[in-house]
Amino acid sequence: AQSVSQHNHHVILSEAASLELGCNYSYGGTVNLFWYVQYPGQHLQLLLKYFSGDPLVKGIKGFEAEFIKSKFSFNLRKPSVQWSDTAEYFCAVNLYSGGGADGLTFGKGTHLIIQP
Amino acid sequence: SQTIHQWPATLVQPVGSPLSLECTVEGTSNPNLYWYRQAAGRGLQLLFYSVGIGQISSEVPQNLSASRPQDRQFILSSKKLLLSDSGFYLCAWGTNTGELFFGEGSRLTVL
Repeated sequence: AQSVSQHNHHVILSEAASLELGCNYSYGGTVNLFWYVQYPGQHLQLLLKYFSGDPLVKGIKGFEAEFIKSKFSFNLRKPSVQWSDTAEYFCAVNLYSGGGADGLTFGKGTHLIIQP
Repeated sequence: SQTIHQWPATLVQPVGSPLSLECTVEGTSNPNLYWYRQAAGRGLQLLFYSVGIGQISSEVPQNLSASRPQDRQFILSSKKLLLSDSGFYLCAWGTNTGELFFGEGSRLTVL
């Protein structure tokens, strides 16, 4: 079964610092990749997604992620974080061969705290 | 535009009591529907998914069951709740690319 690993469970940064959250998945086939964010008291929402094409994808709020197929990785980055980026971040993978219907496999999440 | 609603938002139930969490989607037809459970530090665990009315796939053996009586309605149930069923339950609808859109969640506490 496929699995998704997020390397950092808790990250604390100061405002304006750069951010990189690691994500690796175990499946070797074609995958669709996602990052979701859950702000305090809010529902999960999509940050960005990768299906094919340019491996560097840009999402909302200045976030971007790079798909490196050889490393089975899809790391999330932001050059300069803000206090409002405090949230839980989840990496997720879908097997392309599954036709998308069998759901996403999520990592355990990274709790990001931005200190003013 | 599509919207998804689930209720109740919070629920406190005694051990051994039944459970029914409901989820409805508007603005799309024949959506893929999902129930996930979110636990702190453990991410989201897929419980059930459905690709059509009456079609339910179970991912993890549970004290829970799911049903899809109508195209845009997905119900999570239990006949007798256990303490271990406490958690935050999320309903989602999905596209064929795997992208999911989540509801607000239902927090269940079993005492």
